[in-house]
Amino acid sequence: GNSVTQMEGPVTLSEEAFLTINCTYTATGYPSLFWYVQYPGEGLQLLLKATKADDKGSNKGFEATYRKETTSFHLEKGSVQVSDSAVYFCALLTGTASKLTFGTGTRLQVTL
Amino acid sequence: GAVVSQHPSWVICKSGTSVKIECRSLDFQATTMFWYRQFPKQSLMLMATSNEGSKATYEQGVEKDKFLINHASLTLSTLTVTSAHPEDSSFYICSARDPAAGNSNQPQHFGDGTRLSIL
Repeated sequence: GNSVTQMEGPVTLSEEAFLTINCTYTATGYPSLFWYVQYPGEGLQLLLKATKADDKGSNKGFEATYRKETTSFHLEKGSVQVSDSAVYFCALLTGTASKLTFGTGTRLQVTL
Repeated sequence: GAVVSQHPSWVICKSGTSVKIECRSLDFQATTMFWYRQFPKQSLMLMATSNEGSKATYEQGVEKDKFLINHASLTLSTLTVTSAHPEDSSFYICSARDPAAGNSNQPQHFGDGTRLSIL
């Protein structure tokens, strides 16, 4: 079956530090990959996506590259801000069922 | 862009009462909606898939008589937690699929969640 593994948090960084949140997956077929962000007390927002191997998704300074050979989709940002503090979920989708498979989420805390 | 509205955002009620949570797609018709439960500092657990005009499909281990789902129109799905008890306290999130968007673009649009506290 499908599964997503994320690095455990929390991740605590100082403002302007470099961020990497690791995500690897197991899936049948050729999944689409997503990163969602959840701010405190809110639902999930799509941050970025990639639909095929070697695609790079990017948004708001965040980026992730779909690596088929390593089955990974690591999230990176060159310089984090306090406002980036949130929980980040890696997810995948296969087929037409629209069922997303989520990782466990990684909490990011950015301090001044 | 596509918006999903979830109501209420926060509810506190006594043990034994039933609570209804609404999920509306505001600018698209959602034939499929999803209900998730999220425990503190944990991931989302899919509870059920709600299909307009038919019975919901529940995930293994989710009590269908406890969590009643109704998807009576293309823009509204409701989750009713029946005879709620403190262990049902959680953050419930709905999402809706816009069939016009295509799976790979934005598979689901999420509501802002409902925090349910049972005393």
